[in-house]
Amino acid sequence: AAGVIQSPRHLIKEKRETATLKCYPIPRHDTVYWYQQGPGQDPQFLISFYEKMQSDKGSIPDRFSAQQFSDYHSELNMSSLELGDSALYFCASSSLSGLADAYEQYFGPGTRLTVT
Amino acid sequence: KNEVEQSPQNLTAQEGEFITINCSYSVGISALHWLQQHPGGGIVSLFMLSSGKKKHGRLIATINIQEKHSSLHITASHPRDSAVYICAVSPNADKLIFGTGTRLQVFP
Repeated sequence: AAGVIQSPRHLIKEKRETATLKCYPIPRHDTVYWYQQGPGQDPQFLISFYEKMQSDKGSIPDRFSAQQFSDYHSELNMSSLELGDSALYFCASSSLSGLADAYEQYFGPGTRLTVT
Repeated sequence: KNEVEQSPQNLTAQEGEFITINCSYSVGISALHWLQQHPGGGIVSLFMLSSGKKKHGRLIATINIQEKHSSLHITASHPRDSAVYICAVSPNADKLIFGTGTRLQVFP
């Protein structure tokens, strides 16, 4: 079965550079969540999208922005990178409408971002 | 104080032992999730619960909504069960609030 795809899997950037992380949800899923997991920390919710509209916002810095496109994939754009942005970034997708596993979140493998 | 707390933080077991991981939460929820995270970092969803009990293979998850408490049980544990187990709650059928995780090591 198709799973959530994230790209790239690993990314190394320098301070003050920009990064774009991509997430491709499971087909027919309408909702995407972004989470950030710092070293040795719990994942923290960043932002979510439902049907291409932002549905909720967590502890996401103003330097970060995200959107969901017409094909439901999502991109997290990160600018003016700081050392503290080094983390594992997870995307999860779910369906809020109709499917048997509605509301279940399926996680991608994550993108490991290292800022040097 | 974290909204989702797990115990124990670390757990070591011998192969074949019965394992219990506990989760307590302080917010209203629509569902509770048990997740497994392996050393490579990938997260796998094990269960989503809103009431009662679910079983999948050697894993059993229970939830008591009134007491705001859930447990994850692993029967006949195996070294391949070694991972971090995370309890996460969803207040409104949306974003997850994660617990601190329980690191389980099962030795042969």
